[in-house]
Amino acid sequence: DAGVIQSPRHEVTEMGQEVTLRCKPISGHDYLFWYRQTMMRGLELLIYFNNNVPIDDSGMPEDRFSAKMPNASFSTLKIQPSEPRDSAVYFCASSLAGGPGEQYFGPGTRLTVT
Amino acid sequence: RKEVEQDPGPFNVPEGATVAFNCTYSNSASQSFFWYRQDCRKEPKLLMSVYSSGNEDGRFTAQLNRASQYISLLIRDSKLSDSATYLCVVPYPMRFGAGTRLTVKP
Repeated sequence: DAGVIQSPRHEVTEMGQEVTLRCKPISGHDYLFWYRQTMMRGLELLIYFNNNVPIDDSGMPEDRFSAKMPNASFSTLKIQPSEPRDSAVYFCASSLAGGPGEQYFGPGTRLTVT
Repeated sequence: RKEVEQDPGPFNVPEGATVAFNCTYSNSASQSFFWYRQDCRKEPKLLMSVYSSGNEDGRFTAQLNRASQYISLLIRDSKLSDSATYLCVVPYPMRFGAGTRLTVKP
């Protein structure tokens, strides 16, 4: 069975541009999480969904960030406009309802904003 | 006090050694805890879940001390392949520690 799929794997963009990151969770999983990882701040939870509904977005840094989950098999994280400080690795993870802490991570998207 | 604090490391140990990491947490309401490992430039992967006082899986043992609010991870007979960063996780929401880097040397 396929794991969590993320695209693109690498993204290089200029400051001010819109960036869209995509995630396909494992089929049957009820929870979907978006994380950001940097050397300075470590791994941070940005937002998570349960059954496609956003539950906690308190980790979203500011209004430039938005996330959607239109159906059970797809989610996007959008940054508009992007800034150099957004450069990081963005991970998507999914889990079953019975064990939201037992998550399966995708390979991540390495974002560089110049 | 940070929500989740880990031994900063790095830990450099020889093959076959026993090594232990500690993690302290501030949310006394947490009922479950997790250890993830992350290899360099890879995604985190679940290593162990801790729902009661502890858990053991082969060479790995996780213990929970609720009174002192810390969890530990013990690795026995360490292998070269154990070299990674170990992340302590306390829900909810998911709070990851900064990680402890382990290098096992021949």
